[in-house]
Amino acid sequence: IVMTQSPATLSVSPGESATLSCRASQSVGFNLAWYQQKPGQAPRLLIFGASARATGIPARFSGSGSGTEFTLTISSLQSEDFAVYYCQQYNDWPPLTFGGGTKVEIK
Amino acid sequence: QVHLQESGPGLVKPSETLSLTCIVSDYSISSGYYWGWIRQPPGKGLEWIGNVFLSGNSFYNPSLKSRVTISIDTSKNQFSLRLISVTAADTAVYYCARSLGAPLFGYWGQGALVTVSS
Repeated sequence: IVMTQSPATLSVSPGESATLSCRASQSVGFNLAWYQQKPGQAPRLLIFGASARATGIPARFSGSGSGTEFTLTISSLQSEDFAVYYCQQYNDWPPLTFGGGTKVEIK
Repeated sequence: QVHLQESGPGLVKPSETLSLTCIVSDYSISSGYYWGWIRQPPGKGLEWIGNVFLSGNSFYNPSLKSRVTISIDTSKNQFSLRLISVTAADTAVYYCARSLGAPLFGYWGQGALVTVSS
């Protein structure tokens, strides 16, 4: 299953919201996760089951969607939220597949 | 809290074998879950390499399956990656990780850069 993320780069001002998209080449149901990765760090799980926040993830991160279309919304962006975000499907594997990533940068 | 730490050579020659070990602490690897390897070439995205389960059953990315072996050693509380016949395209940061109940990764090591070069 090919995962396609858009846009590749998103320029957002602090305090604004960001909407990131992830599309699957075939249905993955709700079996979709989102990760955040900062430079020099390992990815961190944000969302699983398309919309469930992982432990310790702030409520400003929300996930939605099902099937082939998914969205990660970050409301009121904080300075620590500027990072690269990846989606991953785990519905039909192997292989587990990641999207190419969306970089959220400061506008 | 699960802690994972990758260990192994940072430089491997072309055509040789890349070997990494993930040392797991503060959690018994015998308790279950998938234990996986993911890699990230410099400046690029994430690529899943494979998972191993407690039973020893392993699952690999078809793109690497002919060259990769992941094994688990419950006596040492660690699991390992072996990738044969490496080329420069295998240069990447290699992460070990533990799944949640489903094969998505809730716990990650800090990553180990492996460079393939003569």
